[in-house]
Amino acid sequence: DGGITQSPKYLFRKEGQNVTLSCEQNLNHDAMYWYRQDPGQGLRLIYYSQIVNDFQKGDIAEGYSVSREKKESFPLTVTSAQKNPTAFYLCASSGGGFNEKLFFGSGTQLSVL
Amino acid sequence: QQQVKQSPQSLIVQKGGISIINCAYENTAFDYFPWYQQFPGKGPALLIAIRPDVSEKKEGRFTISFNKSAKQFSLHIMDSQPGDSATYFCAARTQGGSEKLVFGKGMKLTVNP
Repeated sequence: DGGITQSPKYLFRKEGQNVTLSCEQNLNHDAMYWYRQDPGQGLRLIYYSQIVNDFQKGDIAEGYSVSREKKESFPLTVTSAQKNPTAFYLCASSGGGFNEKLFFGSGTQLSVL
Repeated sequence: QQQVKQSPQSLIVQKGGISIINCAYENTAFDYFPWYQQFPGKGPALLIAIRPDVSEKKEGRFTISFNKSAKQFSLHIMDSQPGDSATYFCAARTQGGSEKLVFGKGMKLTVNP
């Protein structure tokens, strides 16, 4: 089945630690996105990539980093500079127009120990 | 300012009733208006979308009504079912060289049996 796979489903971060969230897609989509979701809030864009080896900052990129070395993969690193990392993180991809028909993964819940 | 304001924040309807979710926007440079449905612990899924050149789009029990002059669009769920209980997000995409997708804060729908 084609889709977006995020792992792990739950992740705990110690203070000062960097953690990496995995996102893999087999939809052959060019564009991929990372969103952060906080309770009662909409989705806020962290980073996006329209093509391999290129990515752009979204609205809340501070404290996060990404890479796009393969079309299928778009990992997100939450660095120690992100002081409030507890949130639900969603990865998405789109194959049509940019920001159209987003397919989302099942998310990773990150919590701070 | 690019915002999409969603109302109400939550809604409870009886099975078989009509659920109506409203969104208002300020930026006239939006060119695509999707609705996403999210179940607890899952990523959002595209439900239905509309472009501003049409006033209504229907897919099964779901209808988007679009009022360009009032800068409003709404989702109507006919014959609401308990399985429709979820959080619904409206969104709008800016047009131009750097399109952005702006999400509303979401509305939690509960359909009682």
